[in-house]
Amino acid sequence: DTAVSQTPKYLVTQMGNDKSIKCEQNLGHDTMYWYKQDSKKFLKIMFSYNNKELIINETVPNRFSPKSPDKAHLNLHINSLELGDSAVYFCASSQDRKQETQYFGPGTRLLVL
Amino acid sequence: LAKTTQPISMDSYEGQEVNITCSHNNIATNDYITWYQQFPSQGPRFIIQGYKTKVTNEVASLFIPADRKSSTLSLPRVSLSDTAVYYCLVAEGSGGYQKVTFGTGTKLQVIP
Repeated sequence: DTAVSQTPKYLVTQMGNDKSIKCEQNLGHDTMYWYKQDSKKFLKIMFSYNNKELIINETVPNRFSPKSPDKAHLNLHINSLELGDSAVYFCASSQDRKQETQYFGPGTRLLVL
Repeated sequence: LAKTTQPISMDSYEGQEVNITCSHNNIATNDYITWYQQFPSQGPRFIIQGYKTKVTNEVASLFIPADRKSSTLSLPRVSLSDTAVYYCLVAEGSGGYQKVTFGTGTKLQVIP
């Protein structure tokens, strides 16, 4: 009965490849997010969707493309992976777009070689 | 720009009370203050939230002065399992939408 789940948990890939990370929440929340946590542990928001509508799009390379097929799912596709993309990617959800209380997934550890 | 400022790290002995202070000088009238806890290899977890004065739950207390330009998370009688990074956040409104900014957090190390 995991609230926010992500797959895969670990992802090791070569530079230049394209990969996707999937996120699902079973909390009935309207809003979902993607965060990137780099090696220095700084947690940065990347995207946010509210009821399948993109509401936050931070300064992220356009190689990153979120997709929300329904409000319970928010996937992240990354094209042409670079070494600097190595990080932990967290998905989160909140009841609504006010965002004060977010529920995070376990993270996807991406290593680009 | 970071919305909050916290100490980078703190050490405490088991059984002591720990207070972590966060500065948020530009907090807006409608902003709430929220604290999260992150253990290694896990996602952040909500601890407590407040608007003003004092809030207490089973995990922690949150003290917010009248000017709301700072807040203090208080963890009573910490144990080794409280070793984690603690993030202070304030909501940030922009064009009708709000985004939360996580700062660098405070790494708390509890010592036996």
